[in-house]
Amino acid sequence: GDSVTQMEGPVTLSEEAFLTINCTYTATGYPSLFWYVQYPGEGLQLLLKATKADDKGSNKGFEATYRKETTSFHLEKGSVQVSDSAVYFCALSDRTNAGKSTFGDGTTLTVKP
Amino acid sequence: EADIYQTPRYLVIGTGKKITLECSQTMGHDKMYWYQQDPGMELHLIHYSYGVNSTEKGDLSSESTVSRIRTEHFPLTLESARPSHTSQYLCASSEGGQKNTEAFFGQGTRLTVV
Repeated sequence: GDSVTQMEGPVTLSEEAFLTINCTYTATGYPSLFWYVQYPGEGLQLLLKATKADDKGSNKGFEATYRKETTSFHLEKGSVQVSDSAVYFCALSDRTNAGKSTFGDGTTLTVKP
Repeated sequence: EADIYQTPRYLVIGTGKKITLECSQTMGHDKMYWYQQDPGMELHLIHYSYGVNSTEKGDLSSESTVSRIRTEHFPLTLESARPSHTSQYLCASSEGGQKNTEAFFGQGTRLTVV
């Protein structure tokens, strides 16, 4: 079945540091890949997505590239801010699984001033 | 902004009570989901639906039940709440068919059973 493996957290960084959160996946079909963000007390919201190999999703300074050869979708940001503190989830949606979403376990990011 | 709503946001209830968590979406999505989120933040799928009169159990066994009588509405019911049901419950929806589209989430219901 489908699965998503995320880098374990929590991750603590200083403001303006570089962020990488690793994500690898296993899927039987040709999935779309997503990063969601969850701020305290809220539901998840879509941060960025990529629908096919070599696509790069980007939003709010975050980027992730769909790497089929390494089955990866690592999240990066060049300079984090305190306001980026949240939980980040990598996920996939697989047409062969009726489009059902599979989520990673989440990575908690804390950015200190 | 996502048009999916959960009520109540917070609920404290006594053991043995029957409760229903409401979830509604105005996007016309066929697929809807309920997740339970533990303190470690992992999401566990407990129920899903691919359309009206379609419901399936998810990956995590749950004593709750769901119904899907209308496209926009996907309530979750606990017949007899227990302290072990204390958790955050998240509802989500996505487009139907074989599309690989993103999920839209409600703000969640934090349930505490005392």
